[in-house]
Amino acid sequence: AQSVTQLGSHVSVSEGALVLLRCNYSSSVPPYLFWYVQYPNQGLQLLLKYTTGATLVKGINGFEAEFKKSETSFHLTKPSAHMSDAAEYFCAVSDRSQAAGNKLTFGGGTRVLVKP
Amino acid sequence: NAGVTQTPKFRVLKTGQSMTLLCAQDMNHEYMYWYRQDPGMGLRLIHYSVGEGTTAKGEVPDGYNVSRLKKQNFLLGLESAAPSQTSVYFCASSYGGQGAEAFFGQGTRLTVV
Repeated sequence: AQSVTQLGSHVSVSEGALVLLRCNYSSSVPPYLFWYVQYPNQGLQLLLKYTTGATLVKGINGFEAEFKKSETSFHLTKPSAHMSDAAEYFCAVSDRSQAAGNKLTFGGGTRVLVKP
Repeated sequence: NAGVTQTPKFRVLKTGQSMTLLCAQDMNHEYMYWYRQDPGMGLRLIHYSVGEGTTAKGEVPDGYNVSRLKKQNFLLGLESAAPSQTSVYFCASSYGGQGAEAFFGQGTRLTVV
């Protein structure tokens, strides 16, 4: 079974500082990789995903992530944090097999606090 | 464009009571999912469906049943609620292509007392 590990359940950054959220997966075959964001009392919204091709993926709101196969990682970054980035972020994977039904396996989530 | 709509948004149940959560999507998606969210555990898959009339178990199916009689609707039932089922429940849908993103509803906060 796949598993996803997000290092750090809480991260505090200053406004304007770099945001770095770590995600590692365990799978012998690289899965599809996703980052979702959840604002308070809302559902999850896709930030970005990696399926194939270029390993540096750009998403919404200035976020990007890089797939590193050798490190089984898909870390999320944003060069300059904004107050509106305060939310919970989830890394997720899905198996590349068609039979897998695009089921997502999630990490535990990282809550980001942005300090003025 | 409503996307994925969940009903109800909040509910309090007594232990042993039953209820049904309704999920409706208007994007003509083939796949639908029910997840539960618990603090520190991310989201875990309860049941899912890859098409009308088909359902399958996810990671944590015990105590839940589902039905997908119409393509746009996916129902989650709790036959006899337990305090361990206190959680936030999310429905999601995707169009079925490989690597397709999931679109999520706003969630249902369920408390079982």
